[in-house]
Amino acid sequence: EDQVTQSPEALRLQEGESSSLNCSYTVSGLRGLFWYRQDPGKGPEFLFTLYSAGEEKEKERLKATLTKKESFLHITAPKPEDSATYLCAVRSVGGSYIPTFGRGTSLIVHP
Amino acid sequence: NAGVTQTPKFQVLKTGQSMTLQCAQDMNHNSMYWYRQDPGMGLRLIYYSASEGTTDKGEVPNGYNVSRLNKREFSLRLESAAPSQTSVYFCASSEDQLLAKNIQYFGAGTRLSVL
Repeated sequence: EDQVTQSPEALRLQEGESSSLNCSYTVSGLRGLFWYRQDPGKGPEFLFTLYSAGEEKEKERLKATLTKKESFLHITAPKPEDSATYLCAVRSVGGSYIPTFGRGTSLIVHP
Repeated sequence: NAGVTQTPKFQVLKTGQSMTLQCAQDMNHNSMYWYRQDPGMGLRLIYYSASEGTTDKGEVPNGYNVSRLNKREFSLRLESAAPSQTSVYFCASSEDQLLAKNIQYFGAGTRLSVL
């Protein structure tokens, strides 16, 4: 059974204070790791997909990295508009190919 | 471009009442999904439809039924609502769940309270 654990559950940062969110996973074989952003009262919105260890993707102040056991979402010089819940999901080679989601990290960036 | 549209946005039911949550996508996607999201539990898959004409159970299917009406529409029915079904329900679609880059696009959600 695929397992995804995100940490921390909640993170408060000051504007400009860089940090990282963690997503640890256990799968029989990784077919893809996804990061989504969810704003309050809205559905998740796709950010990145990573497929193999060593891969990195960037978008504005966000950078996602992947190892064989975990992924990090690095946030550089965050702004208040980066406040959201960040969800990680993994897709394994077996079964239905549908991603398993972690519980998310709630990020609040104070001005 | 509407993407994934869910109706209603909010609903309050009494225990034992039934209702259908509607979902439609305009991206010509093959695969559609229903999730529920509860505090501290993350997104849990209720049912999915890999393609038109097929449906399969997810992680938490008990108490729910689904219908893939056509390629665009995928509905979720609660036959006899229970307080444990109080949650936020999300519909999602993707081009095809078998593709390597299976990006899911989500609706805005339906907030359901069962009293």
